[in-house]
Amino acid sequence: GALVYQYPRRTICKSGTSMRMECQAVGFQATSVAWYRQSPQKTFELIALSTVNSAIKYEQNFTQEKFPISHPNLSFSSMTVLNAYLEDRGLYLCGAKDSFSNERLFFGHGTKLSVL
Amino acid sequence: TQTVSQSDAHVTVFEGDSVELRCNYSYGGSIYLSWYIQHHGRGLQFLLKYYSGNPVVQGVNGFEAEFSKSDSSFHLRKASVHWSDSAVYFCAVSARYGGSGNKLIFGTGTLLSVKP
Repeated sequence: GALVYQYPRRTICKSGTSMRMECQAVGFQATSVAWYRQSPQKTFELIALSTVNSAIKYEQNFTQEKFPISHPNLSFSSMTVLNAYLEDRGLYLCGAKDSFSNERLFFGHGTKLSVL
Repeated sequence: TQTVSQSDAHVTVFEGDSVELRCNYSYGGSIYLSWYIQHHGRGLQFLLKYYSGNPVVQGVNGFEAEFSKSDSSFHLRKASVHWSDSAVYFCAVSARYGGSGNKLIFGTGTLLSVKP
């Protein structure tokens, strides 16, 4: 079956430092990877959508300079949160799909980011 | 622009009761609707989707949802809930994203609490 492994599951970083999270797709080709953030008490906000052979598209309020994303092949994607501050706390999820899954995303378990 | 709204932030029922979680969407073309479940502190798990055809779609663990174009709704139902169904449920609509693919837009979520 199709699975997405995301790591780390939890991380704590000092204010102003950076942390990187990674996603591995197993059992399918991740032609598109979407990164979401769920801030405390909120819903999932799309940060950016990465599609193979297309430029990565960032949502309003999110930038490449703050959340650089790498999607080098059809099984892997990573995102870094640069200069993390309190407002960056939350659960970060990657969701991936292939060309055939008709909009359904397979999600990892998420990376919970705490900022001290 | 496509949006999705979940009017109930919290629904409480007893084990064995039926439940309906409401979702309304704004229509902007080809519609793709789905439901996801998030257990406490974890990522998202896919429940079911509607794209075309039979408006009543079956999902995992006895869940079903009915698409209604006239009501712009995609409510989730279960005939007899179990305590393990306690979780946050997210409705999502797919929206066109700059020509390079679609993105999922999530509602604010409904917390379902099932009492023994």
